[in-house]
Amino acid sequence: DAKTTQPNSMESNEEEPVHLPCNHSTISGTDYIHWYRQLPSQGPEYVIHGLTSNVNNRMASLAIAEDRKSSTLILHRATLRDAAVYYCILSVTTDSWGKLQFGAGTQVVVTP
Amino acid sequence: DTGVSQDPRHKITKRGQNVTFRCDPISEHNRLYWYRQTLGQGPEFLTYFQNEAQLEKSRLLSDRFSAERPKGSFSTLEIQRTEQGDSAMYLCASSLARVYNEIRTNEKLFFGSGTQLSVL
Repeated sequence: DAKTTQPNSMESNEEEPVHLPCNHSTISGTDYIHWYRQLPSQGPEYVIHGLTSNVNNRMASLAIAEDRKSSTLILHRATLRDAAVYYCILSVTTDSWGKLQFGAGTQVVVTP
Repeated sequence: DTGVSQDPRHKITKRGQNVTFRCDPISEHNRLYWYRQTLGQGPEFLTYFQNEAQLEKSRLLSDRFSAERPKGSFSTLEIQRTEQGDSAMYLCASSLARVYNEIRTNEKLFFGSGTQLSVL
């Protein structure tokens, strides 16, 4: 199964951008890249997903390297509410795409 | 959209007792997933349903665990003869799975807030 590698933690100042890297060197051609985040005492929350092209939504942007072996989640202006664990996940099958293989994620700390 | 709800939020039980958790997914969602999360780790997939059919079970799901989704609506997860190692957060998620021309769409899962199980 394809795996991802993320830093354990990152710090950011409020209202500054946050760039969260994710390495997935063994990604296959049909694997989607998903990002979820988990706030304290809550279940994970979908952030964004993509396959090959960069993606934008109201929460974040996803920049995918041309060889697809890495990607970066970009929070354009961090707020205190963005403090959470961020998970970079690859879908492992073409059928049950909700069967996600979470790692330990990156703990994002936002300081005022 | 009332979201995914799980009940109870917390459960404390003694080793050897049986426990049952309930999950109510978002009403139009056809897929329902159960995950387990221990402290400091990401969630681990346990099982999932497409409507009322249980399509896959993880090797993590021992024979003491059973999940049902009667009528394709709410789901229950039962753990028999609980062990201290079962202590974890049990998360439920739902999604609306659609496939057009063999191309999957909608990769988004909606998670509940989980049931925290403590086995003493």
